[in-house]
Formats: sequence, C-alpha cells, structure tokens
Amino acid sequence: EVQLVESGGGLVQPGGSLRLSCAASGFTFSSYWMSWVRQAPGEGLEWVANIKQDGSEKYYVDSVKGRFTISRDNAKNSLYLQMNSLRVEDTAVYYCARNDYDSSGYYDYLNYWGQGTLVTVSS
Amino acid sequence: DIQMTQSPSSLSASVGDRVTITCRASQSISRYLNWYQQKPGKAPKLLIYAASSLQSGVPSRFSGSRSGTDFTLTISSLQPEDFATYYCQQSYSTPPYTFGQGTKLEIK
Repeated sequence: EVQLVESGGGLVQPGGSLRLSCAASGFTFSSYWMSWVRQAPGEGLEWVANIKQDGSEKYYVDSVKGRFTISRDNAKNSLYLQMNSLRVEDTAVYYCARNDYDSSGYYDYLNYWGQGTLVTVSS
Repeated sequence: DIQMTQSPSSLSASVGDRVTITCRASQSISRYLNWYQQKPGKAPKLLIYAASSLQSGVPSRFSGSRSGTDFTLTISSLQPEDFATYYCQQSYSTPPYTFGQGTKLEIK
C-alpha cells in the first residue's frame, strides 16, 4: 500500500525557517517524480514544487523561488521541503504527492497524497 | 505561467442531478488536465487525468471532456458522497502546474 506521511509542520515566526519531511513507503520511491502542494486555510490548492527521480530537476512556483528548496533522499525514501524566510502568506497545510504517468508516459497527475502537515507563520 | 479559470466557484444541486464544472486554460494545454475531488479535512483525490481518462476505482458517473482550451467535469447523477470541492489542474510542459480556484458543490 502506498503511504506518504508528512511531518515537520508547526508554528514559526515570520522570517523563520522550517523543514518539512515526507516519508514514503509501499512503492519504489526512486522511480517517481514527487511534488509539494499547499492549501491555505479556507483556500484552494496551490502547486508549490516538484523534483525529478534523481533530484537533477526541480521546479518551483514563483512565490517560493529563492526561499524554498525541494530535495529528496532516495536511500531514506524521503522527500523534503526546506522553507526559509517564511511569510504569513506561507501559512497552509502542505501535502506531499506522488506523480504518476498514464500508459503513454506523457500525461502526469498526482495520484497519491499524504495527509498534510500544517505550517503556521505568525508572530 | 498558465492560468486556469474554473467556474462556477460554487454550485447547489440535488441528489440525482446532472452537474457540469468548467475549467478554461489561458493557453493550449492539449489534454494535460486533471480533476480532483476534495472533502473537508482530507487530501485531494484524483478523479480524471489526461482530460477524459477515469482513474481506477472512480465511479463511472464522473466523466471529463475537452473542447480546445475548455475542459468539463460532468457528474451524471449526483450521489450524497459527491458533495465536495472539485479542482482542475494543468500539467502541461514545464511547471508550475497550476490549479483552478475550485468549485464547491453543495446540497440544495
């Protein structure tokens, strides 16, 4: 059974840092792109970042570029999100998700999601 | 970045109704469009990928279609468990892979 379990959320002051982790199990972690998606309280979903299987490609939404870093440790089956210079508007539930592809290999989608971890940025 | 405009933002319907939710892309995204369902306090669940492919295990009353840059999610006969928020997401070319604003489907 595929499982994704996020941890590391909490309360942090503006300008502070936090590192989120996502522990993966039930599949060959090193074979999949992985993503972070966030959801501010009462708001919609926002795609944040993703990372290629070997970590050689990383992409970010503009609002977090230069502040957040996505990484992975395939030996530990873990995905990370280092968040620096946090702002009040970064307050959200952060989900990690696995990217799957259809049989053609062209169309990708987020097929498995963790339960999310809440990050609150407030003074 | 590609913008996804989803409508309506909210919708009231009754059990048994046929419901349609629309998502419009700001540029051509071919069939790179996914639909998710989210219930309060839960992670999103994939319903449709590649515009019209039904994810395994999802009831056949859900369907997706495309016309140019317009995409539609249709629920043919609403069931009580379908009341939730629905999101479209594009996965075309290079990220960011933006979501629509969401459509909250409520019981009339």
